[in-house]
Amino acid sequence: NAGVTQTPKFRILKIGQSMTLQCTQDMNHNYMYWYRQDPGMGLKLIYYSVGAGITDKGEVPNGYNVSRSTTEDFPLRLELAAPSQTSVYFCASSPGQGLNTEAFFGQGTRLTVV
Amino acid sequence: RKEVEQDPGPFNVPEGATVAFNCTYSNSASQSFFWYRQDCRKEPKLLMSVYSSGNEDGRFTAQLNRASQYISLLIRDSKLSDSATYLCVVNMDPWNNDMRFGAGTRLTVKP
Repeated sequence: NAGVTQTPKFRILKIGQSMTLQCTQDMNHNYMYWYRQDPGMGLKLIYYSVGAGITDKGEVPNGYNVSRSTTEDFPLRLELAAPSQTSVYFCASSPGQGLNTEAFFGQGTRLTVV
Repeated sequence: RKEVEQDPGPFNVPEGATVAFNCTYSNSASQSFFWYRQDCRKEPKLLMSVYSSGNEDGRFTAQLNRASQYISLLIRDSKLSDSATYLCVVNMDPWNNDMRFGAGTRLTVKP
């Protein structure tokens, strides 16, 4: 069972470079999310999607973009990397809305911007 | 006030000890609550949901106090394998699954 798969696992970017963090899930979940986790901090929601073709901003969307062309894939784009974007990025998915809906996380991408 | 606030920890306890974590949330309209576990450099994983009446899963007991807007997690008979960071999660909007995470409480269980 693959679940939620993120690539790459690690990346070092120079300031001003761009990159796409890939996320795919094979559980046919409607909801997908991108979070970032800074050291000693909780997860902060960047963007989320409630289904293919629909995306919305979370708490900290500035500097990021997303798309959701298929149910399976939810890539996160960084256009002009900044040191403040150094973090661990987690993609997650959940089956749908409602109470007590579990989120399943990918293994994370550790990004360093230098 | 932070949306979800947890005991900062760290908690260092001996094997067999009972330890409790608390978490408070700011949005009184929040409907669902969870505890996730996160091992070092790993992704969070659901430990248990928190139901209004309180619920137990083996050595773990979760409770919810809506009036005071706090959630607790009790771990009895701590094991070395319980060492991890415990994240309090509040779903502020079930229709969008707007889940807000606390910063986490780190637990180390020592022999």
